[in-house]
Order: sequence, then C-alpha cells, then structure tokens
Amino acid sequence: QKEVEQNSGPLSVPEGAIASLNCTYSDRVSQSFFWYRQYSGKSPELIMSIYSNGDKEDGRFTAQLNKASQYVSLLIRDSQPSDSATYLCALTSSGGSYIPTFGRGTSLIVHP
Amino acid sequence: EPEVTQTPSHQVTQMGQEVILRCVPISNHLYFYWYRQILGQKVEFLVSFYNNEISEKSEIFDDQFSVERPDGSNFTLKIRSTKLEDSAMYFCASSDVPAVETQYFGPGTRLLVL
Repeated sequence: QKEVEQNSGPLSVPEGAIASLNCTYSDRVSQSFFWYRQYSGKSPELIMSIYSNGDKEDGRFTAQLNKASQYVSLLIRDSQPSDSATYLCALTSSGGSYIPTFGRGTSLIVHP
Repeated sequence: EPEVTQTPSHQVTQMGQEVILRCVPISNHLYFYWYRQILGQKVEFLVSFYNNEISEKSEIFDDQFSVERPDGSNFTLKIRSTKLEDSAMYFCASSDVPAVETQYFGPGTRLLVL
C-alpha cells in the first residue's frame, strides 16, 4: 500500500518569500513523483514531475527528490498571492504505472 | 486550447438513486480516467478505460459503479444506487498516451447524496 504524507498546513508565507512544501512516501519502489496545484473547488493541475534524485527547476518552481530518505519537496520562489492553493504530491510505482497515488495536499497561503 | 468538459457541474440526488456523470474527453485522446475527491480528502483513482474496456480499477470501483463510452465523444460514470459516502467531486481525465504527465483533468462534477 503506497502512502503519501503531507502536512495539511496551512503554510503561510509573505509575498516574495520562498515557500517550501514537503512530502514523504512509504513505498521504496516508487519511481515517479509529481506536484499538482489545486485551487479551491477546481481540478488538479500538474506543475512538476521528477524522476531522479536531485533538483529539477522550472521557472519559479524547483522539485527536489531524495529516494534514500523517501522525501520529495517543492520550492516556490518569489511567492505570489496567486500561488495560494493546495499543493498535492503524487507518485507512481515502477513497472510503467500511469495511475498516481495522491497525498492529501498542503494548503499554501501567500499574503501580500 | 482543447479541454476536458464535464456535465453537470453539480448534482444533488437522493440516496439509492442512480446517477450518470458525463465527460467529453479531448478529441484525440484514447485513455480515459475517473477520479474522485471527497471534501477535504485526497484525490483517489477509480478507473481507467482504453479501447472500450476497463484497463485498471481501484477497490473503490465496486459493482455499484460502471463506465461506458456510448458514442465517439462521451465517457460516462454511472453509480447505480448512490450512498451518502458517494458524495464527492468526481473528476474525469483523458490522455493521448498512458502517462501521468499527459493526463488532463476536467473541471469536475460535485455530487451530493442526501
């Protein structure tokens, strides 16, 4: 049983700061990791994927993966009020699975 | 930009009634999915569908649920006899290949069972 753990928050950061969102997982065979953004009442939107240890940067977003520690994180630089949303961590196991297992998400509030 | 659409946006039903949730996937997509999210809970996979048959399903997807592609554009989720615990947001998604990265979610149908 794959478990994905996230602190539900809310995480509150001031505008312009770095927001750091964390996720741990229990299944060591997990291979692919994803971060989604979900605004209240809306559907999840994929913002980052990461497959190997280390950092992956895309604009203001950086995903970090440490498989040994079973830990994945998302950094949002220069946070904006429009980044206020729930961020969902998700993963798939090995074997070509295309069905993600989601965490409950962390609520992020960026205040002006 | 092409998008997945879902109807209705909201549905209220009485316990024991049948509901059909409708989805129109992106036109050139071949893989279709249903997920649900109970309020305040995580998104959960229900079922995936390809080539007119179910390719994967979760433990949640029991005999009360069925899916169908009745024509070339629609993809439906039927709940035969709704229960209070079926109240949730139901998301349809579609993709051109079987990959997480290419799954596009629809806006969802909020189902409330009374």
